[in-house]
Amino acid sequence: QVQLQESGPGLVKPSQTLSLTCTVSGGSISSGSYYWSWIRQPAGKGLEWIGRIYTSGSTNYNPSLKSRVTISVDTSKNQFSLKLSSVTAADTAVYYCARSTTHRFDPWGQGTLVTVSS
Amino acid sequence: DIVMTQTPLSLSVTPGQPASISCKSSQSLLHSDGKTYLYWYLQKPGQPPQLLIYEVSNRFSGVPDRFSGSGSGTDFTLKISRVEAEDVGVYYCMQSIQLPRTFGGGTKVEIK
Repeated sequence: QVQLQESGPGLVKPSQTLSLTCTVSGGSISSGSYYWSWIRQPAGKGLEWIGRIYTSGSTNYNPSLKSRVTISVDTSKNQFSLKLSSVTAADTAVYYCARSTTHRFDPWGQGTLVTVSS
Repeated sequence: DIVMTQTPLSLSVTPGQPASISCKSSQSLLHSDGKTYLYWYLQKPGQPPQLLIYEVSNRFSGVPDRFSGSGSGTDFTLKISRVEAEDVGVYYCMQSIQLPRTFGGGTKVEIK
């Protein structure tokens, strides 16, 4: 059973780069036809899809964040990562990683709270 | 982007009673492959969202049969035939016919 776990700093200063890693266990990140996605949720608000990476390394990003987002994969570590540059308080949220088929997200990581504050 | 609109914002339901949530999309979710890419997720308190229903009406593995989904085109409904205490949380619809994936604003279900 595949499980995902997010990790990274819980506090980032404004204008800096947010960096998170998602570690996949219980299966190889390279096997199967899966996308590996990032989704975020500001406190008390809804869900926003950030982007995804395919096992081949191809990526898709939400146009609203595209200029600031980079998603990469490290198959040797069975991990994929999110970098979000030039953060502001509006980027404060719980960040989830998730495996997806072409269309659905399952499973999800437990999520990690990132606060942008000086 | 496709806008997903859910109603109501919240529901307070007596255990054993039914509940219904509506989701409307700003564009048809019917793909040329014949499938309709509308999904329902439940986010229980303190947990990540979990998949309930895929492609409008298909229950995901382990989802009780009291949950059912219906609809077509741009109008969709999630129904719980008899609400139980474990069903509390926020329900989200999501479209996956187009990037970026977009979610409804959520419907909070609580028990009376």
